[in-house]
Amino acid sequence: KNEVEQSPQNLTAQEGEFITINCSYSVGISALHWLQQHPGGGIVSLFMLSSGKKKHGRLIATINIQEKHSSLHITASHPRDSAVYICAVEGYGGSQGNLIFGKGTKLSVKP
Amino acid sequence: DAMVIQNPRYQVTQFGKPVTLSCSQTLNHNVMYWYQQKSSQAPKLLFHYYDKDFNNEADTPDNFQSRRPNTSFCFLDIRSPGLGDAAMYLCATSRLGTGLPDQPQHFGDGTRLSIL
Repeated sequence: KNEVEQSPQNLTAQEGEFITINCSYSVGISALHWLQQHPGGGIVSLFMLSSGKKKHGRLIATINIQEKHSSLHITASHPRDSAVYICAVEGYGGSQGNLIFGKGTKLSVKP
Repeated sequence: DAMVIQNPRYQVTQFGKPVTLSCSQTLNHNVMYWYQQKSSQAPKLLFHYYDKDFNNEADTPDNFQSRRPNTSFCFLDIRSPGLGDAAMYLCATSRLGTGLPDQPQHFGDGTRLSIL
């Protein structure tokens, strides 16, 4: 079993829809990251969070440490949001800084 | 402004011919990472430098080496590339344990390596 599980693997939405991507993990973490990767491109860090909720424009990330679960929400989705969204967790101590990645969620937003 | 710069964006090499990928950063981060990402897979950490300390992942093949001559630059050397080494190679940097606030990993755009 992977230490970081994301769902769904693939997601197709119509422009304007509210989107939720989920991430569950099974290890103790110091932080959880949400990353975005466009086709053929590098990775952009969207959020790093260790508790509660963060909001950047149309993007919202939440984390529940007790339940070991995080969600990434996109409000009023747009075709330019089409990308792979990756959840990654960061451990403690000697593992701090090293990321364990989920397999990603491929999002396609249709106009 | 690009802060983690990888060159080249696309690299083609021949089977068995050594190749070097480069990464530079303008963030003055103390940690630099190299990842390998194959199609439709999550990035896989190969190694990282924590300041000058080199940290190799247990399952990174000996064929992969790295050099960090100074804070700003880090190189990935593949001594004898095989067909299975064709992948996207991502460089990332972060700031950890310096006394300043920790910074999350910043990624470059990657170098896509093809093997002929």
